[in-house]
Amino acid sequence: DIQMTQSPSSLSASVGDRVTITCRTSQIINNFLNWYQQIPGKSPKLLIYSTSTLQSGVPSRFSGSGSGTVFTLTISTLQPEDFATYYCQQSYLTPYTFGQGTKLEI
Amino acid sequence: EVQLVESGGGLVQPGGSLTLSCAASGFIVSDSYMNWVRQAPGKGLEWVATIYSGDSTTYADSVKGRFTISRDSSKNTLYLQMNSLRAEDTAVYYCARRLTFGGQGTLVTVSS
Repeated sequence: DIQMTQSPSSLSASVGDRVTITCRTSQIINNFLNWYQQIPGKSPKLLIYSTSTLQSGVPSRFSGSGSGTVFTLTISTLQPEDFATYYCQQSYLTPYTFGQGTKLEI
Repeated sequence: EVQLVESGGGLVQPGGSLTLSCAASGFIVSDSYMNWVRQAPGKGLEWVATIYSGDSTTYADSVKGRFTISRDSSKNTLYLQMNSLRAEDTAVYYCARRLTFGGQGTLVTVSS
């Protein structure tokens, strides 16, 4: 199985900050890397797929990059509604594993 | 507009069975690969199963042989048949069209 390691596990930030979350995979996944946002009590929301493609309707302050086995999600200017938990997921090989999550707190 | 509505969760004893449904609208379930993903209380996301456009299926090792993913084109609905349930299957179960979730999930609690 492909192991996914997210860092940090939690992050404190303020409105207006720029934050970056990193996801490392245990093997090459040909950029089949997706990012989700989850607010408590809600289903996960797809933000970015295929490493850097912004899902329709997602604000442009979210961006993704990376290659090989290291990928990042960046939020350029934090807004109050961005405080949530973020997950990376690889969709290259089954099992389609998720990272353990990064909780972004005020 | 694409919509997914999960249902069928509830309390079941260990060893019991349950079938989850995911009613879809705005697209045809047989035209897309569909997934089930679960989240144990207070934990992260775990992929459970996928059914592809050609009806081939794949499962997480933790559910292989116990769970079956299927779909009914006439009802435009995705299913997850769960047998031999264990306490560790307790979770909110979400369905997803490709990479996109849409419903609120359905809670399965396995307990005596």
